[in-house]
Amino acid sequence: QKEVEQDPGPLSVPEGAIVSLNCTYSNSAFQYFMWYRQYSRKGPELLMYTYSSGNKEDGRFTAQVDKSSKYISLFIRDSQPSDSATYLCAMSAKNYGQNFVFGPGTRLSVLP
Amino acid sequence: DGGITQSPKYLFRKEGQNVTLSCEQNLNHDAMYWYRQDPGQGLRLIYYSQIVNDFQKGDIAEGYSVSREKKESFPLTVTSAQKNPTAFYLCATQQGRNSPLHFGNGTRLTVT
Repeated sequence: QKEVEQDPGPLSVPEGAIVSLNCTYSNSAFQYFMWYRQYSRKGPELLMYTYSSGNKEDGRFTAQVDKSSKYISLFIRDSQPSDSATYLCAMSAKNYGQNFVFGPGTRLSVLP
Repeated sequence: DGGITQSPKYLFRKEGQNVTLSCEQNLNHDAMYWYRQDPGQGLRLIYYSQIVNDFQKGDIAEGYSVSREKKESFPLTVTSAQKNPTAFYLCATQQGRNSPLHFGNGTRLTVT
């Protein structure tokens, strides 16, 4: 079993839809959770950074962490064609970069 | 992006040649990292450096070398010993513990 699992997609949704992106993990020690957006041929861009369980909201983006289920989610409201990208989850038990574990990414297409 | 510059964007080399990828940052971050990204896989750590003149191997260091002579610079050399060097290489920095990684825009290396 991989340490972090993420459905690779592609996920296609119409403009304006609510998008749900998910990652599951096996290491119960993870407590730092991140979501990155990566456009084609670009580096990942940080969207959300959360510690431990709970929700965090930033504009159209909401990150949820459920440590009891070892499951994290990113919700995108009112999705736009500009949201079309690959979304990577990342997590860590100790927040040093060498400990980060990344999911393979979910490719999202928002159709106009 | 922003304060992390990777160059060149695209690099083509013949098998058997060493090649050096550049990573420069003006964020004044102590920690710098090199990751490799392959389709369908999470980012994999090659090398990292927490301070100048010190660096550590990551999960897939074989066939790679680095130096950290200046805080701003962390070049990665892909040697001829790397069996499958064609990939997208990402440099990242971290401001300190309890902060996320920030990425450059990557270098796409193709070896034929």
